[in-house]
Amino acid sequence: DAGVTQSPTHLIKTRGQQVTLRCSPISGHKSVSWYQQVLGQGPQFIFQYYEKEERGRGNFPDRFSARQFPNYSSELNVNALLLGDSALYLCASSRGESSLYFGPGTRLTVT
Amino acid sequence: DQQVKQNSPSLSVQEGRISILNCDYTNSMFDYFLWYKKYPAEGPTFLISISSIKDKNEDGRFTVFLNKSAKHLSLHIVPSQPGDSAVYFCAAGFSGTYKYIFGTGTRLKVLA
Repeated sequence: DAGVTQSPTHLIKTRGQQVTLRCSPISGHKSVSWYQQVLGQGPQFIFQYYEKEERGRGNFPDRFSARQFPNYSSELNVNALLLGDSALYLCASSRGESSLYFGPGTRLTVT
Repeated sequence: DQQVKQNSPSLSVQEGRISILNCDYTNSMFDYFLWYKKYPAEGPTFLISISSIKDKNEDGRFTVFLNKSAKHLSLHIVPSQPGDSAVYFCAAGFSGTYKYIFGTGTRLKVLA
């Protein structure tokens, strides 16, 4: 079975722009979570979605939003990009137990 | 306030020996714990988990120990192999929520 897939792999944006990151979960997994990892730190929780509903939100500004589609794929949107938004954005899926399975991530660079 | 701490930024171990990676947490209400390894340019790979109702869980060469009174968990890798060289993250959270707090990672280097 394919693992979690994310697109794009890399992205370069300018301050003030908007970005959309995409994630497809492992087949059969209905929960998708988004995490941000900055250099030298562990991943930090942004959102969790289950059956298209937001089930959790981390300590991130309203510039960050997400949604989950009927096929359980998900998008993360970030508006008004700041230099500090430069990070690896990780998507993880779960099938019901508590373990997370991460994708390869999208490396976002804001200049 | 860092709720999950990995106080050793790096660790070097000889091939074939035991690697012990440590993790401390502050919230006694955490009831589920995960360990991941991460290679450069890849996402974290799930290794092993443990629920707070257990104090030990094994999967092949990997064993996780949980000491709830000390709010401490450790990952043992036996025997260590060069391919185990990676950054290891522990994470703590509440079962069923998928909202986990990660430590800052320990870089393990297994020397051949």
